[in-house]
Amino acid sequence: DVKVTQSSRYLVKRTGEKVFLECVQDMDHENMFWYRQDPGLGLRLIYFSYDVKMKEKGDIPEGYSVSREKKERFSLILESASTNQTSMYLCASRPLNQPQHFGDGTRLSIL
Amino acid sequence: AQTVTQSQPEMSVQEAETVTLSCTYDTSESNYYLFWYKQPPSRQMILVIRQEAYKQQNATENRFSVNFQKAAKSFSLKISDSQLGDTAMYFCAFMKHNYGQNFVFGPGTRLSVLP
Repeated sequence: DVKVTQSSRYLVKRTGEKVFLECVQDMDHENMFWYRQDPGLGLRLIYFSYDVKMKEKGDIPEGYSVSREKKERFSLILESASTNQTSMYLCASRPLNQPQHFGDGTRLSIL
Repeated sequence: AQTVTQSQPEMSVQEAETVTLSCTYDTSESNYYLFWYKQPPSRQMILVIRQEAYKQQNATENRFSVNFQKAAKSFSLKISDSQLGDTAMYFCAFMKHNYGQNFVFGPGTRLSVLP
């Protein structure tokens, strides 16, 4: 079974802090994704990566950056956390033209 | 750009009954994939069923089946013999064919199965 592991299930940070969310997959998938999930809005794509060191902006990239130095790891960075970034963050990975596999999610609260 | 609409924010069904969740989408593509994902209260998103647009036959996975109407751009999910474990958020999703890009998700339908 594919395993997508997110480093934290719950995280509480303060406004202005730099926040790192980590995601690791164990199936050598090319594509990895970061979404945020908010009630009534479904999943919105923040960034995705289709290869090491390659990244593309999704629908809502403002305030976020990403890093993919190794194929198995895709990090989401909040450069200076703000309260409107309080949300559920979901990481996913997949091989080309196949369904996505999701991690358990990180519920991030910015105080 | 593609959009996915789920017009039912919340639904409920009695255990052992059948329920249908609606999904419509908008695209100019002719070849694509459609998916239903389930997110139980434990939070991990799980793939329920997938449909390839070039296949006319509706996909089926055990108690889950879809009604795919390509011309109408409709992709509904039918859950037969509903079980308490089916309680979850259900997301409809669209993916272009041969693109290494993201899915487009609908806003979700919260389904409650009542004992």
